[in-house]
Amino acid sequence: AQTVTQSQPEMSVQEAETVTLSCTYDTSENNYYLFWYKQPPSRQMILVIRQEAYKQQNATENRFSVNFQKAAKSFSLKISDSQLGDTAMYFCAFHIIQGAQKLVFGQGTRLTINP
Amino acid sequence: DAGVIQSPRHEVTEMGQEVTLRCKPISGHNSLFWYRQTMMRGLELLIYFNNNVPIDDSGMPEDRFSAKMPNASFSTLKIQPSEPRDSAVYFCASSFGVLVSGEQYFGPGTRLTVT
Repeated sequence: AQTVTQSQPEMSVQEAETVTLSCTYDTSENNYYLFWYKQPPSRQMILVIRQEAYKQQNATENRFSVNFQKAAKSFSLKISDSQLGDTAMYFCAFHIIQGAQKLVFGQGTRLTINP
Repeated sequence: DAGVIQSPRHEVTEMGQEVTLRCKPISGHNSLFWYRQTMMRGLELLIYFNNNVPIDDSGMPEDRFSAKMPNASFSTLKIQPSEPRDSAVYFCASSFGVLVSGEQYFGPGTRLTVT
């Protein structure tokens, strides 16, 4: 079975600090995609960043970057210069390329950015 | 593009009543997903369609739940009869499918309360 684990239920940092959210996953597949989604209080699920497992280079989107360690099955999200608008639940998810098109989600990390 | 559209945004109903949730996926997407989110169970995939055909409905809780996709631009999730334990946020998501990029785009969700 494929699983995603987010070991930090809650995190809190001061505005402008850097924060890293951890995620590990378990799969026997070799080709897959990894995602981080953000769910602010409005509850809209917003895609933050995507990583293809076959790419060694870590994905970056403005202040958001990932540290993808395929051998360790680890996929952490780093938010630099955090802003109040980054306050949200963050979900790690993955999706194998062959077979079922199902996103497997972690339980989420509630991130609060304090002024 | 308008994104994934869901209606209604909020639904309050009494136990035993029929509830129908609606979804319009992003034009051109060929996969559609229904999720349920609760505090206790997190995000759960209920069912997904590929090219309007149900592919995996193993997440549908029981026979009270049914989903249809009569065409590429519309899907419904029906609960009959509804029960208080069905109270949750129901999300619809769509994607181009795994052959393109894998990411799913979520609608704003329908908050269902069954009293």
